Amino acid sequence: DIQMTQSPSSVSASVGDRVIITCRASQGINRYLAWYQQKPGKAPERLIYAASSLQSGVPSRFSGSGSGTDFTLTITSLQPEDFATYYCQQANSFPITFGQGTRLEIK
Amino acid sequence: QITLKESGPTLVKPTQTLTLTCTFSGFSLSSSGMGVGWIRQPPGKALEWLALIYWDDDKRYSPSLKSRLTITKDTSKNQVVLTMTNMDPVDTATYYCAHRPPGVNYFDYWGQGTLVTVSS
Repeated sequence: DIQMTQSPSSVSASVGDRVIITCRASQGINRYLAWYQQKPGKAPERLIYAASSLQSGVPSRFSGSGSGTDFTLTITSLQPEDFATYYCQQANSFPITFGQGTRLEIK
Repeated sequence: QITLKESGPTLVKPTQTLTLTCTFSGFSLSSSGMGVGWIRQPPGKALEWLALIYWDDDKRYSPSLKSRLTITKDTSKNQVVLTMTNMDPVDTATYYCAHRPPGVNYFDYWGQGTLVTVSS
């Protein structure tokens, strides 16, 4: 199985800050990576797919980059609605695996 | 507009079999490339992929749960059913179904989820 490791596990930030979340795969996954946002009590929502393609309707302050084993999700100019938990997911091979999540909290 | 909704019991006893139904609209599971997956999330924990069924009836399972899982589809009813045998309290989780678009195994639309508690 491909292990997905996110860092940090949690981060505190303020409105207007820039935050970078990283996701590392235990083996190369090309660019077959998605990022999801999950708010408490809600289903995950896809933000990014193919490492850097923005899901329709997602604000442009969200961006993704990376390939192979190392990926990043960057959120610029944090907004109050961005405080949530973020997950990466690899789609390179079965079994599909998710990272353990990064909780973004208000400072 | 694609929507999905999970249904099934909220409480099952240990050793029982869980049957969950995903009823969807806005796409056809007979269309080339389409798929529906199941993902679960124990309270306060991370997402875990369980199973995926494709338009051509190809099926994939999580290796760690493969012996307990069965995924089927009823294209005429726009439904996908997941069964999990021999339920245990550690299987307590919110179970989601999600749409897999043609191309790659991402999930772009998710159901609201259904919380299943395993307890005697």
